[in-house]
Amino acid sequence: RKEVEQDPGPFNVPEGATVAFNCTYSNSASQSFFWYRQDCRKEPKLLMSVYSSGNEDGRFTAQLNRASQYISLLIRDSKLSDSATYLCVVINGSSNTGKLIFGQGTTLQVKP
Amino acid sequence: DAGVTQSPTHLIKTRGQQVTLRCSPKSGHDTVSWYQQALGQGPQFIFQYYEEEERQRGNFPDRFSGHQFPNYSSELNVNALLLGDSALYLCASSRDNHGYTFGSGTRLTVV
Repeated sequence: RKEVEQDPGPFNVPEGATVAFNCTYSNSASQSFFWYRQDCRKEPKLLMSVYSSGNEDGRFTAQLNRASQYISLLIRDSKLSDSATYLCVVINGSSNTGKLIFGQGTTLQVKP
Repeated sequence: DAGVTQSPTHLIKTRGQQVTLRCSPKSGHDTVSWYQQALGQGPQFIFQYYEEEERQRGNFPDRFSGHQFPNYSSELNVNALLLGDSALYLCASSRDNHGYTFGSGTRLTVV
């Protein structure tokens, strides 16, 4: 079983739609959680950290459920520029020195 | 403030050859990690260097080796290249209380 699992998609949605991505992780001792965004043939870039209390950044909302070992990302009012691959990331050690464990990524295509 | 710099950006090698990839971390960062990203997959952790020592290693064979220099820059070496080593190789730097920053990667093609 992979340490971090995501539905690879692709998710094809119209502009303005709300879309949700889910991710599960296998190590209950995992300490830090993130969503990264990766554009085609580019490096991953941090989108947002994920906290148990849930956190929001504009149109993006991330949620962590430690009991279920489940992470989610909700994108509201999708824009064409949101088209990218979204990577769920877990760290089992220090958030700045532990290794990043990536999911396979979920591809989002927002269409006009 | 320069970010993470990787070189070369693209590389084509033949099976059995050896390759060296280079990474200069972001200013102020002292830890360098290397990742391999195959097409359609998420990045996989290769190893991490801190204070010129390999601190952690992922599930990669000994053909993959590395080095960190006193100026914190790092190299990734891969010997006896296989077709399956074709991938995007990403370097990420970090330091306590500062998150990871990724370089734009080196795209390696083995033919």
